[in-house]
Amino acid sequence: KNQVEQSPQSLIILEGKNCTLQCNYTVSPFSNLRWYKQDTGRGPVSLTIMTFSENTKSNGRYTATLDADTKQSSLHITASQLSDSASYICVVSAKGGGNKLTFGTGTQLKVEL
Amino acid sequence: EAQVTQNPRYLITVTGKKLTVTCSQNMNHEYMSWYRQDPGLGLRQIYYSMNVEVTDKGDVPEGYKVSRKEKRNFPLILESPSPNQTSLYFCASSSLDQTEAFFGQGTRLTVV
Repeated sequence: KNQVEQSPQSLIILEGKNCTLQCNYTVSPFSNLRWYKQDTGRGPVSLTIMTFSENTKSNGRYTATLDADTKQSSLHITASQLSDSASYICVVSAKGGGNKLTFGTGTQLKVEL
Repeated sequence: EAQVTQNPRYLITVTGKKLTVTCSQNMNHEYMSWYRQDPGLGLRQIYYSMNVEVTDKGDVPEGYKVSRKEKRNFPLILESPSPNQTSLYFCASSSLDQTEAFFGQGTRLTVV
């Protein structure tokens, strides 16, 4: 069964600090891995998308890494801001059959002053 | 502006009263899907459509119907809503290879 597990479940950091969120997956055959940011009560918004051959991708202060051998990904947030407070969801796409997406349950990040 | 529009954003209804949640996209995407999001669970796919008149079940299709008569619209129909369908619903669209999925703003449904 395809699964995506994220850690930690929740995280509180001070503004300006860095943090790293983790994602482990067992999805096969692998197509791509995405990180989404979801503000409370709103739809997820794409941050990064990585295919099998990519091991790092950046979007501003967000940097995602992918290790396809160990089936792990991380999302690093640099110099956090209050607006980074949100849920961060790791999503893995499987090839074929409509490229089905498997969602993690998310890491709830809170950035405080 | 590229967007996925869902209506309504909030809905409270009673058990058994048929309802429809609309979803429309302006990106000419072939692929559209519906998800529900519940506390402690990741988004779960209800139904998806790979093109006009082509729909298929996702992981949790029981109690839901969909239709895809036009490329831009993909309504979600609850023929006889029950309290266990109280949830936050998202519509999403993408090109067929799903390199990037765009989500609507969500519909919070409460069935009493």
